[in-house]
Amino acid sequence: NAGVTQTPKFRVLKTGQSMTLLCAQDMNHEYMYWYRQDPGMGLRLIHYSVGEGTTAKGEVPDGYNVSRLKKQNFLLGLESAAPSQTSVYFCASSHPGLAGVSDEQFFGPGTRLTVL
Amino acid sequence: SQKIEQNSEALNIQEGKTATLTCNYTNYSPAYLQWYRQDPGRGPVFLLLIRENEKEKRKERLKVTFDTTLKQSLFHITASQPADSATYLCAGDMRFGAGTRLTVKP
Repeated sequence: NAGVTQTPKFRVLKTGQSMTLLCAQDMNHEYMYWYRQDPGMGLRLIHYSVGEGTTAKGEVPDGYNVSRLKKQNFLLGLESAAPSQTSVYFCASSHPGLAGVSDEQFFGPGTRLTVL
Repeated sequence: SQKIEQNSEALNIQEGKTATLTCNYTNYSPAYLQWYRQDPGRGPVFLLLIRENEKEKRKERLKVTFDTTLKQSLFHITASQPADSATYLCAGDMRFGAGTRLTVKP
């Protein structure tokens, strides 16, 4: 099993450009998440999904959109990139766990994005 | 606002000693707390989960406590080794702390 994979690993964008980050998992997990990690701030939740066709906003959703058309894939889109979106982006997946509370999360290797 | 805070940015200890990392939460009551390990350039890896009705949980050299009165979790690594050097993240209900970078010196 590959676990959680992310594409691409690195990307440099110019301000105003758009791009899509792809996350795929082969563990049949219901829940998927997108986080960004910035120095000194830890991981912050951007959007998450509790099942195919459903998405919800996290702590820092502005400037991002997501889609979960297939259970195994979770896409993160930046429509008009800004320098403030320079960060490392992590995707994660999990089973629902007890009473719907997220169980342990499995993380991908990350995408390092720089916006000039 | 709801926060998870890890008070120490960095912790240096000698090999063989016990490392103790602290995690505090404010303005919410997470149903569980999780601890992850993150190595440079890699994604976090899950270590332990403790629920609010559990006081303590152990796994090999790791021990986690959950004190709902103090709104705090402690993470202990006993008999620490240089291979334990990494950043350790605390998380509750999809909120993560900034992490504590642990260095274990031989």
